[in-house]
Amino acid sequence: LAKTTQPISMDSYEGQEVNITCSHNNIATNDYITWYQQFPSQGPRFIIQGYKTKVTNEVASLFIPADRKSSTLSLPRVSLSDTAVYYCLVGSTKDNYGQNFVFGPGTRLSVLP
Amino acid sequence: ETGVTQSPTHLIKTRGQQVTLRCSSQSGHNTVSWYQQALGQGPQFIFQYYREEENGRGNFPPRFSGLQFPNYSSELDVNALELDDSALYLCASSVRGIEKLFFGSGTQLSVL
Repeated sequence: LAKTTQPISMDSYEGQEVNITCSHNNIATNDYITWYQQFPSQGPRFIIQGYKTKVTNEVASLFIPADRKSSTLSLPRVSLSDTAVYYCLVGSTKDNYGQNFVFGPGTRLSVLP
Repeated sequence: ETGVTQSPTHLIKTRGQQVTLRCSSQSGHNTVSWYQQALGQGPQFIFQYYREEENGRGNFPPRFSGLQFPNYSSELDVNALELDDSALYLCASSVRGIEKLFFGSGTQLSVL
């Protein structure tokens, strides 16, 4: 299983763009990169997923370099409600073994007014 | 709204007791995974069920067991509760082959 490394915490101000980078040096060929957001006392919520290059949806962008050994979650113009823990996961469905995604400690993002 | 529901939301037990937590998967999902999340830490994978069989297990002792039913709902059973079992227990449903987990809001278990 590919292990991920992220900053433990980050601070930002409202309206700024926030970039959270995740390292996953031993990512496997079949692995996808997925980011989740978690608020206190709630389950994690899917934000975005990618395999290579760049993916964008209505809430975030995900940048993945060619070697796939890292990825960057970009949150444009954050607001106070984006204060949460963000997890980077690397994993895939393996034949006969199913999904087994490993959560690290995540990045605690604090958005200040 | 993810559609994954867990019950109960909160539970208090004493050491040595047994507990059963329940999860109703999102419609159309055939896989369910259980996670334990201690305060301030990321969720830790307990096990996964697919087609009513255990299909992957994390580093948890056998006193953590589970079931998946034909309607894809699931139970997590923990026997001989220990103080360190106090945590938020999360259920996530998914579709086999699609790398996206949908989580419930969890059951907060306190062991006294």
